[in-house]
Amino acid sequence: GNSVTQMEGPVTLSEEAFLTINCTYTATGYPSLFWYVQYPGEGLQLLLKATKADDKGSNKGFEATYRKETTSFHLEKGSVQVSDSAVYFCALSESNTGKLIFGQGTTLQVKP
Amino acid sequence: EADIYQTPRYLVIGTGKKITLECSQTMGHDKMYWYQQDPGMELHLIHYSYGVNSTEKGDLSSESTVSRIRTEHFPLTLESARPSHTSQYLCASSPSGLAGAINEQFFGPGTRLTVL
Repeated sequence: GNSVTQMEGPVTLSEEAFLTINCTYTATGYPSLFWYVQYPGEGLQLLLKATKADDKGSNKGFEATYRKETTSFHLEKGSVQVSDSAVYFCALSESNTGKLIFGQGTTLQVKP
Repeated sequence: EADIYQTPRYLVIGTGKKITLECSQTMGHDKMYWYQQDPGMELHLIHYSYGVNSTEKGDLSSESTVSRIRTEHFPLTLESARPSHTSQYLCASSPSGLAGAINEQFFGPGTRLTVL
């Protein structure tokens, strides 16, 4: 079946450090891929998305590239800020049902 | 900006009470979803709907029930709440048709339920 695997957290970084959160997936067909972010006490917000192989999604300095050959969608940011502290979820959409399959979430803590 | 609302945001109730968590969206989306989120953060789909009068159970078994009488409204009901129902409940919606091909979901702010 379809699944998403994220690197385990928490990830703790100093401000201005480089961020990578790994995400790999297993899917049939050609799913769309997403990164969602959840700030404390809030719902999920879409951070970025990619709908086909080699697409790069980007937003607020975050980037992720849809790599079909490695079935990956790793999230990166060149210089993190304290305000980026949150939980990040990688997800794929099932082509036939439209349901989202989420990874287990990765907590990012950025220290000043 | 997504317009999807959940009420109440926080609810503390005693065991055995009947509760309804409200979810409404003003985007005209056909598809709506309910997720239960563990304290450890993982999200589990418990119900979904592809339109009016359509409801399906999700991947995680739940004692809750849902209804979809109007496109914009997708309430979740627990007939008799128990401490094991303590969790965060997130509602989401997504469009159908060409706009829905990507299957992006828009989330509400969530309801944090505590059953004593």
